[in-house]
Amino acid sequence: QVTLTESAPVLVKPTETLTLTCAVSGFSLSHPTMGLSWIRQPPGKALEWLAHIFSNDEKSYSPSLRSRLTVSKDTSKSQVVLTMTNMDPVDTATYYCARLDSNDAFDVWGRGTVVTVSS
Amino acid sequence: QSVLTQPPSASGTPGQRVTISCSGGSSNIGSNYVYWYQQFPGAAPKLLIYKTDQRPSGVPDRFSGSKSGTSASLAISGLRSEDEADYYCATWDDRVVFGGGTKLTVL
Repeated sequence: QVTLTESAPVLVKPTETLTLTCAVSGFSLSHPTMGLSWIRQPPGKALEWLAHIFSNDEKSYSPSLRSRLTVSKDTSKSQVVLTMTNMDPVDTATYYCARLDSNDAFDVWGRGTVVTVSS
Repeated sequence: QSVLTQPPSASGTPGQRVTISCSGGSSNIGSNYVYWYQQFPGAAPKLLIYKTDQRPSGVPDRFSGSKSGTSASLAISGLRSEDEADYYCATWDDRVVFGGGTKLTVL
C-alpha cells in the first residue's frame, strides 16, 4: 500500500524558514516513472502547485515562488523535504505532498499538514 | 487568480446530469491532458479523471471527462448526494496549474 505522510502541523513566525517532510512508503523515490510534488491550499481557497522532484533528482518550481523554495530527497530514508524561506501570513495553508505517476496524475496524496504563519 | 477558470459553484438534483467546465489556453489545456480531482471538506484531493477522459480503477463510470480546444469538462451523470464536493481541474503549462475549483451542491 502506497502512503505519503507529511510532518506535523507547525506554527512559524513571519520571515522564518519552513521545513516540511514527506515520508513515503510502498514505493521507491528512485522509481523511474514516479515523482513527488508539494501542493498547498490556503483556507477556503484553491490548490496551488509548489514544487516537484523527479526520480533522477531533477527539480521544478512554481515560477512565482522559485526564489523561496528548495525541494530535496533522501532516497535511503524515503523522504522528500521542502523548505520555504521568508514565510509570510499569506503562506498559511494546508501543505500536501502528492505522488506523480506515469500518467502524470497525482494518484496518491498525503493527508496534508497545516502550516500557520503568525507572530 | 488561477490559470484555469472554473465556475465557483454548480448544483443539481439527485439523478440529474451535471457538467463542470474548465477553461484555459493554447499553452495549457490546448496542448496537454486534463486531470480532475475531487475533494471533500477536510480531506485531501482524490484523482477522479486522468489523461482527459480516463478513470482510475474504483471511480464510477458516472464520472466522465472530455476536452475541446482550450476547454475541458467533467460530467457527472446520475447525480448522488455523495457527489457533493469540490472539483478541481488541472493540467500542465510548463508547470502544473490548477483551476479555482467548483463547489458542487446536490439539492
